[in-house]
Amino acid sequence: IAGITQAPTSQILAAGRRMTLRCTQDMRHNAMYWYRQDLGLGLRLIHYSNTAGTTGKGEVPDGYSVSRANTDDFPLTLASAVPSQTSVYFCASSETGDSPLHFGNGTRLTVT
Amino acid sequence: GENVEQHPSTLSVQEGDSAVIKCTYSDSASNYFPWYKQELGKGPQLIIDIRSNVGEKKDQRIAVTLNKTAKHFSLHITETQPEDSAVYFCAASFYGNNRLAFGKGNQVVVIP
Repeated sequence: IAGITQAPTSQILAAGRRMTLRCTQDMRHNAMYWYRQDLGLGLRLIHYSNTAGTTGKGEVPDGYSVSRANTDDFPLTLASAVPSQTSVYFCASSETGDSPLHFGNGTRLTVT
Repeated sequence: GENVEQHPSTLSVQEGDSAVIKCTYSDSASNYFPWYKQELGKGPQLIIDIRSNVGEKKDQRIAVTLNKTAKHFSLHITETQPEDSAVYFCAASFYGNNRLAFGKGNQVVVIP
């Protein structure tokens, strides 16, 4: 089934540890995104990529990094996790910037 | 800047009644307005979208209207059913900016 796969589905992480959230899409979409969802704050964009080889900062990029080595994969890395990064993280993709976003089912991350 | 406001934050309706959620946006150059539905434990899913050259779009029980002059767009759900209970997000994209700005979400509860 075509779509977006995120891994892991959930994770408990000690503060200070490094963590990479994985995201893979099989729709050959050009653009990919990482959002975090927090209660009362909705969806906030962390980083995005318009096409393979390029990335950009979103609304809340601090503490996160991304890479886009190929079309399908868009990993999100927390270099040194902090409790404020406890959230649900959603990866998404779209054909172009103003075409519909397809979301994965999220990764629930708890930083203790 | 990019700002999308969504009202009300919570909406309870009797089964069979209509539900309306309204969003306002800040940038008059916005050209694409999608609505997403998020069920518990899942990622947001696109339910309907509209572009700035259209005033209204319908898909069965769901419709979206756009008022460019007032810079607001609304989601209308008619003949609500229990399975319509979810969180609904509006979003807007902007010329020269391929990212979507999301509203904070609206919890819709359909009472059987």
